[in-house]
Amino acid sequence: TQLLEQSPQFLSIQEGENLTVYCNSSSVFSSLQWYRQEPGEGPVLLVTVVTGGEVKKLKRLTFQFGDARKDSSLHITAAQPGDTGLYLCAGDDRGSTLGRLYFGRGTQLTVWP
Amino acid sequence: DTGVSQDPRHKITKRGQNVTFRCDPISEHNRLYWYRQTLGQGPEFLTYFQNEAQLEKSRLLSDRFSAERPKGSFSTLEIQRTEQGDSAMYLCASSLLWDEQFFGPGTRLTVL
Repeated sequence: TQLLEQSPQFLSIQEGENLTVYCNSSSVFSSLQWYRQEPGEGPVLLVTVVTGGEVKKLKRLTFQFGDARKDSSLHITAAQPGDTGLYLCAGDDRGSTLGRLYFGRGTQLTVWP
Repeated sequence: DTGVSQDPRHKITKRGQNVTFRCDPISEHNRLYWYRQTLGQGPEFLTYFQNEAQLEKSRLLSDRFSAERPKGSFSTLEIQRTEQGDSAMYLCASSLLWDEQFFGPGTRLTVL
């Protein structure tokens, strides 16, 4: 059973389009991280959100943490082929699990030129 | 490069053989994590060290798996009597206490 559900699982768009991917859970997390993973490589940290309702921007990427700290979204504006990759969200439950991360299955994004 | 490193990057072995992977964390990080990722899935937690102490193990970590971090620096993950179901990407991450986890490039294991 996945604690974190990500949607959509696959997303294929043209360069210049906007997109949003979602990460949802019934559990409350102390913090939530977004990673991007290329084939054959480890995940690379993009951002950490900690406070309910928090919004963080990283160039064309906007991350939001839900008010109840159970869900998050990633919005990409004017997607570029270099944005192609597997986007993973991961929750951190410090209260009971000493910092282990629970990952979703990821959203595989392909941006065509 | 001062990131997390893992060795080897790829390992192909026959069923029943033993394999050992190494992880070198970011030098000042006292926490080290092992995760396993299979195709189409996100990484799943295996085990975690704080300094040299192994503080938590997932039920995914059967008795064929053992991990060590003898001097609180690098860590090894050994799989004995490998099975085809062990084929996966094995990822190591490190962090400072409650800070973010930074991942290495992973070791891709293929069991024939």
